[in-house]
Amino acid sequence: GIQVEQSPPDLILQEGANSTLRCNFSDSVNNLQWFHQNPWGQLINLFYIPSGTKQNGRLSATTVATERYSLLYISSSQTTDSGVYFCAVDPGTYKYIFGTGTRLKVLA
Amino acid sequence: GAVVSQHPSWVICKSGTSVKIECRSLDFQATTMFWYRQFPKQSLMLMATSNEGSKATYEQGVEKDKFLINHASLTLSTLTVTSAHPEDSSFYICSATPGTGRRDQPQHFGDGTRLSIL
Repeated sequence: GIQVEQSPPDLILQEGANSTLRCNFSDSVNNLQWFHQNPWGQLINLFYIPSGTKQNGRLSATTVATERYSLLYISSSQTTDSGVYFCAVDPGTYKYIFGTGTRLKVLA
Repeated sequence: GAVVSQHPSWVICKSGTSVKIECRSLDFQATTMFWYRQFPKQSLMLMATSNEGSKATYEQGVEKDKFLINHASLTLSTLTVTSAHPEDSSFYICSATPGTGRRDQPQHFGDGTRLSIL
């Protein structure tokens, strides 16, 4: 089955710093989403981005489907950005496979 | 729009009991819903696909007799953990996509159920 790897696995930032999170997948995908899982376990949908680039405030994402990766950019990070970031992909089976996750901690 | 509600959010019970978790799509219909499980500090793993009006399909390694899924209507799927044991303690989360058969829409997730078996 498809493999979905995220990097880095852990990231510590000072408040105000920028970061780039990466999601690599081993096969072609029909759909891709980025999520932020908060400390209570809630999955917050950040982007639905099977291809192209989107921006929402301090966050933006780019998916290059032909090269099998997606990037999530966080600018001017805040302590509330802390948590785990997941990408999830649909390889055409209508089922989402989650990546390994990036655990982010933003220090005040 | 596209809200998925999950209940209960947290449950503690004794070993050997059965626990039912509900997943509802509040403002849309979904012929298909999905159930995931997440152990501490791990990623989400797909357990099964819940199909309205037909049997669920389970991922490899998931015991169908342990995790009973019923998708009785276009807005409700239930997951019953039967004869639960401490190793079943986990975070269970469901998801759904509006519409039927369309593959170009995001999935919407419930807030999850934290299950603890004593």
